[in-house]
Amino acid sequence: AQKVTQAQTEISVVEKEDVTLDCVYETRDTTYYLFWYKQPPSGELVFLIRRNSFDEQNEISGRYSWNFQKSTSSFNFTITASQVVDSAVYFCALETSGSRLTFGEGTQLTVNP
Amino acid sequence: DAMVIQNPRYQVTQFGKPVTLSCSQTLNHNVMYWYQQKSSQAPKLLFHYYDKDFNNEADTPDNFQSRRPNTSFCFLDIRSPGLGDAAMYLCATSRDRMYFGPGTRLTVL
Repeated sequence: AQKVTQAQTEISVVEKEDVTLDCVYETRDTTYYLFWYKQPPSGELVFLIRRNSFDEQNEISGRYSWNFQKSTSSFNFTITASQVVDSAVYFCALETSGSRLTFGEGTQLTVNP
Repeated sequence: DAMVIQNPRYQVTQFGKPVTLSCSQTLNHNVMYWYQQKSSQAPKLLFHYYDKDFNNEADTPDNFQSRRPNTSFCFLDIRSPGLGDAAMYLCATSRDRMYFGPGTRLTVL
């Protein structure tokens, strides 16, 4: 069975602070994909990143960066110099071969001006 | 360009009155999904299609049905909505990853 845990239910920061959202996953499959989605108040799920299990290279995209560590089954997401527009619910998700996407419970990020 | 389109974006229905939500895609993907997302919760898969092959999740209530007349369109029918069915309903397609629509927010009065 697959499981994704996002231990942080809510995080509140002040604009320009860096913030890291944690994600820990469980699977027995050796081939799997990890995702992060952003869900602003409008409700649409916005795709941020897809990472396969064989690619442990960290990725940076603008103010966003992701740290994938198979040894600890973690796929953490960092926003540098946060902005008010980053306020949203962020979901980490796991997909294995032949199974559906399993979401974590989400982390509500609030960035205050 | 919109790739997964959901109509309407907001739907209000009365308790027990059947309602249909629609989804269309321009991606020509074989797989389409319906998710239900209640407030402050993760999306929950209701069912999915692989082409016309329908796959129901074990815990999806019988009150929820789906139709997929062709590759582009998929419908979610709620036969007798209850107050507990008020939620955001998300349609998605997939190939290399999930492509989600904007969702339909259902209110049941």
